[in-house]
Amino acid sequence: NAGVTQTPKFQVLKTGQSMTLQCAQDMNHEYMSWYRQDPGMGLRLIHYSVGAGITDQGEVPNGYNVSRSTTEDFPLRLLSAAPSQTSVYFCASSTSPDQPQHFGDGTRLSIL
Amino acid sequence: ELKVEQNPLFLSMQEGKNYTIYCNYSTTSDRLYWYRQDPGKSLESLFVLLSNGAVKQEGRLMASLDTKARLSTLHITAAVHDLSATYFCAVDLKGAQKLVFGQGTRLTINP
Repeated sequence: NAGVTQTPKFQVLKTGQSMTLQCAQDMNHEYMSWYRQDPGMGLRLIHYSVGAGITDQGEVPNGYNVSRSTTEDFPLRLLSAAPSQTSVYFCASSTSPDQPQHFGDGTRLSIL
Repeated sequence: ELKVEQNPLFLSMQEGKNYTIYCNYSTTSDRLYWYRQDPGKSLESLFVLLSNGAVKQEGRLMASLDTKARLSTLHITAAVHDLSATYFCAVDLKGAQKLVFGQGTRLTINP
């Protein structure tokens, strides 16, 4: 099992550009989440999903879109990148809320 | 709005000593998670606490949950250098793994 795979690992964007951060898991997990982590801070939930076709907003959803067309994939779209979105993004998955989340290695995103 | 507060935020301790990290949260929840993060790395799950009075132990780490007091503790026994990391607690807001994280406790264990 590869676990939770995030791509790319690093990305630099210009303000106003759009891009998609990819997250894939091969563990047949229903629950998936996207977080951002800013320096010296805890993680903040952006969007989460409880199964294919079902997504909901987290704490900081503005400027981001998600979709969940398959169990395996949960891409995060930045619609029009802003410097305030410079952060490390983590994707996580689990079988249920009673189980621990498995985290990907993260995507380090810089927006100039 | 759910707030999750950890203290202390920074902790420097000597090997062999015991210490406790506290995680307070502001609204009702029956599910709390503890994670570890090494510098520049991803997060690793330590414990999932599912009910009032839950206690879990793994090696030198023990976590407990008091849902009535809205408090979880992570106790470190006879600390060793390898436990140096940042520790996060997170609380499930909605029962669907909609998590709110604490700020993290940066633990440094000195020989």
